[in-house]
Amino acid sequence: GENVEQHPSTLSVQEGDSAVIKCTYSDSASNYFPWYKQELGKGPQLIIDIRSNVGEKKDQRIAVTLNKTAKHFSLHITETQPEDSAVYFCAASMDTGGGNKLTFGTGTQLKVEL
Amino acid sequence: DAGVTQSPTHLIKTRGQQVTLRCSPKSGHDTVSWYQQALGQGPQFIFQYYEEEERQRGNFPDRFSGHQFPNYSSELNVNALLLGDSALYLCASSLLSPQETQYFGPGTRLLVL
Repeated sequence: GENVEQHPSTLSVQEGDSAVIKCTYSDSASNYFPWYKQELGKGPQLIIDIRSNVGEKKDQRIAVTLNKTAKHFSLHITETQPEDSAVYFCAASMDTGGGNKLTFGTGTQLKVEL
Repeated sequence: DAGVTQSPTHLIKTRGQQVTLRCSPKSGHDTVSWYQQALGQGPQFIFQYYEEEERQRGNFPDRFSGHQFPNYSSELNVNALLLGDSALYLCASSLLSPQETQYFGPGTRLLVL
């Protein structure tokens, strides 16, 4: 089955700096890659996703890049703010013909310091 | 438009008991997926329901079962609870089509003593 690795496990940045989180996946059939933000005591919230037919997607301060050849994708957050502090999860999904389960990475605890 | 809702928010059970968790999907969605999230870990896929049938299943024992109702809401049942079943149980709703976004509910925190 699919395996998703995520790095780093913790990331501390100064407010205004950029943050980058990287994920690799094992199954070349994966074709959908969402990123979720999870705040304490809450469920994961989708912040951006990318499909395998594009290499990059941007939404304001957040961008995701995908390298299908290397089987890795990354989340980039620019101009970080204290409210960006949370746990971020990458995930991968493939079309199995019967559903669309997500395989998650182990998460990155992002702390934005004033 | 209501998002994904789950009940109860918290639950405490003892080993050997049975538990039922409930989920109502986002309006317009027909597919419900259940995930287990242990403390400090990423969510792990349990199973997915569409048209009242289990479509996919992760590596979870038969003690974990589910149901989907005609109104697309869903239940997760866990029998013979173990201490290791303590976790946050997340429900996600979507359309079945590949690459469709899954939207998560707030989860049910289950503690097994």
